[in-house]
Amino acid sequence: NAGVTQTPKFRVLKTGQSMTLLCAQDMNHEYMYWYRQDPGMGLRLIHYSVGEGTTAKGEVPDGYNVSRLKKQNFLLGLESAAPSQTSVYFCASGKGSSYEQYFGPGTRLTVT
Amino acid sequence: GENVEQHPSTLSVQEGDSAVIKCTYSDSASNYFPWYKQELGKGPQLIIDIRSNVGEKKDQRIAVTLNKTAKHFSLHITETQPEDSAVYFCAASTQNTGNQFYFGTGTSLTVIP
Repeated sequence: NAGVTQTPKFRVLKTGQSMTLLCAQDMNHEYMYWYRQDPGMGLRLIHYSVGEGTTAKGEVPDGYNVSRLKKQNFLLGLESAAPSQTSVYFCASGKGSSYEQYFGPGTRLTVT
Repeated sequence: GENVEQHPSTLSVQEGDSAVIKCTYSDSASNYFPWYKQELGKGPQLIIDIRSNVGEKKDQRIAVTLNKTAKHFSLHITETQPEDSAVYFCAASTQNTGNQFYFGTGTSLTVIP
C-alpha cells in the first residue's frame, strides 16, 4: 500500500514550457486535491476533484488545469509556466467531507 | 472564504517542556479541524483532528482544544522530544462539496535537547 505517490519529485522548467504532474493513490479515495506550498503562506488549494470525471477550482487555480480520468489518478498541468509558479506541489486524497486528507511527498518545481 | 490565522510562526522549547500553537478561523460553518506535522522534505502528516461537536481530544502527548464560540483551536504537545521538531499546520474545513481545507501559515517548532 503506497498511499499517495507523485511524479516527478523535482523539475526545472523554462518560462513558457509546459508540463504535467501526476498523482496516484491506491486507497480508493473519491476526493483528490492539488496544493501549492510557498514559504510563509502555508498550503493553498489549486484544484480538487470529488470523483472520477469531475474537477473544481480551489483558491489559486489560475495558470493550472487538471484532469481526473481515472479514480486513482489526478493530473495537474501547467500550459505555459511562469516564474511565479515556482513552488512545492502536493497532492492529497481523502474519503470525503470531515475526513482527513492524505498527502504525497511533493514535487519541487522551479521555473526560470 | 475561510481565513485561518496561526501563531506563533516559530517556537523554541526545551526538551520536556510543553508547546502550544493557536489558530483562529473566520467561518462559523467550519466543522472539522485537523493538525498536520511536516518534516523537512516530506509531505504533511495528520497528527490529530477534532470535529465541531467535541471540545477537546487527546492522543498520548498531543491534545487539541476547540472553542467554537471564540472560533479558535489549539494544539498542545506535552513532554516535548527532539523528534517533535517540525513545522505544524492547522486547518479548517466546512462540510461542503470538496471538503476544502484552509490552512494556517505554519509554526516551526524546535525542541532543544
